[in-house]
Amino acid sequence: AQSVSQHNHHVILSEAASLELGCNYSYGGTVNLFWYVQYPGQHLQLLLKYFSGDPLVKGIKGFEAEFIKSKFSFNLRKPSVQWSDTAEYFCAVNALLGGYSTLTFGKGTMLLVSP
Amino acid sequence: ETGVTQTPRHLVMGMTNKKSLKCEQHLGHNAMYWYKQSAKKPLELMFVYNFKEQTENNSVPSRFSPECPNSSHLFLHLHTLQPEDSALYLCASSPTGANEQFFGPGTRLTVL
Repeated sequence: AQSVSQHNHHVILSEAASLELGCNYSYGGTVNLFWYVQYPGQHLQLLLKYFSGDPLVKGIKGFEAEFIKSKFSFNLRKPSVQWSDTAEYFCAVNALLGGYSTLTFGKGTMLLVSP
Repeated sequence: ETGVTQTPRHLVMGMTNKKSLKCEQHLGHNAMYWYKQSAKKPLELMFVYNFKEQTENNSVPSRFSPECPNSSHLFLHLHTLQPEDSALYLCASSPTGANEQFFGPGTRLTVL
């Protein structure tokens, strides 16, 4: 069974600081990887995804993530965070089973950006 | 807005009550999911429906009973819940064969 580990449960940054959130997964097969974001009081939204190809993927709002297969990692980065990036971030790994997808999520990282 | 709606958004119920959560998607997807989101725990997949057929039940207690009358609607019937069942219940949908799931806003459930 696949599992996802997010290293930091809480991160506090000042505006303009750089961000990197760690994510490691364990799964023996081909993976598809995701980062979802949940802003306060809002639903989970897809930030970015990796299926294949260029291991450096770019998402919305200036976020990017790099898939490093040898390290089983998919870390999320942003060069300069804003106050509006305050949210909870979830890494997820996917397996396709019988034509539908199942997602395994990490525990999430709560990011607080102070103005 | 993701095209997945959930009602009610908040629900408070006693342990002897019976209530239902509703999820609706207008995206033409064929797979629908229920997740439980508790504090300090990863999102837990509860049920999966693919083309209205339940394809996964992740050892969920029988006090949670899902129903999928058609590809656009998904219900979660609740009865004799426990306080530890208090959580955010999320519904999601995905196109068949695709990997990305679209989430609703969730129902915040409190069991007294």
